[in-house]
Amino acid sequence: DADVTQTPRNRITKTGKRIMLECSQTKGHDRMYWYRQDPGLGLRLIYYSFDVKDINKGEISDGYSVSRQAQAKFSLSLESAIPNQTALYFCATSDFYGDNEQFFGPGTRLTVL
Amino acid sequence: EDQVTQSPEALRLQEGESSSLNCSYTVSGLRGLFWYRQDPGKGPEFLFTLYSAGEEKEKERLKATLTKKESFLHITAPKPEDSATYLCAVRGPGSARQLTFGSGTQLTVLP
Repeated sequence: DADVTQTPRNRITKTGKRIMLECSQTKGHDRMYWYRQDPGLGLRLIYYSFDVKDINKGEISDGYSVSRQAQAKFSLSLESAIPNQTALYFCATSDFYGDNEQFFGPGTRLTVL
Repeated sequence: EDQVTQSPEALRLQEGESSSLNCSYTVSGLRGLFWYRQDPGKGPEFLFTLYSAGEEKEKERLKATLTKKESFLHITAPKPEDSATYLCAVRGPGSARQLTFGSGTQLTVLP
């Protein structure tokens, strides 16, 4: 089984809908991240969490919110989806000592019509 | 603001034809430069971390080097299975510990 899993893998939705992307990990890591990837722009950090009680905004947090339900679970929500949120979304994890190596999930392809 | 520029955007090589990918960066106080490999439909996979100018790391046919302004990923005698997008990222100082990624180089190795 994969160490970092994301659900759903693909999602098509309409403008204005609320969407939740979920991430689970079995690596036992404290640190979790949400990124989005757009063609030509690389990966950009949306939110990150260093433990269950710690949530931090990344470079592009506007229009997104997150919830860290447990050490192993980190969810990303789009409260009211808009077309320019169409992108590939990745969850990643790392531990305190190996923080330089982030382990990525397989990604969620989100399309907002 | 940290910046990372990768070149070329795409590179096609014949099997066995060695080449290099470039990652130019601007960061005030480098805390690490990272190389990742990303296969289609998958998340990035960690390759290397470099911390200081002059440092080199190797893994199979890949060797990463670092100067004060750029990093190179050298690919020696590549094979078709080396085809992927290679991402470079930097981390600067500060408590945020965020990675700033480049947009990647898409490498295709033809048999």
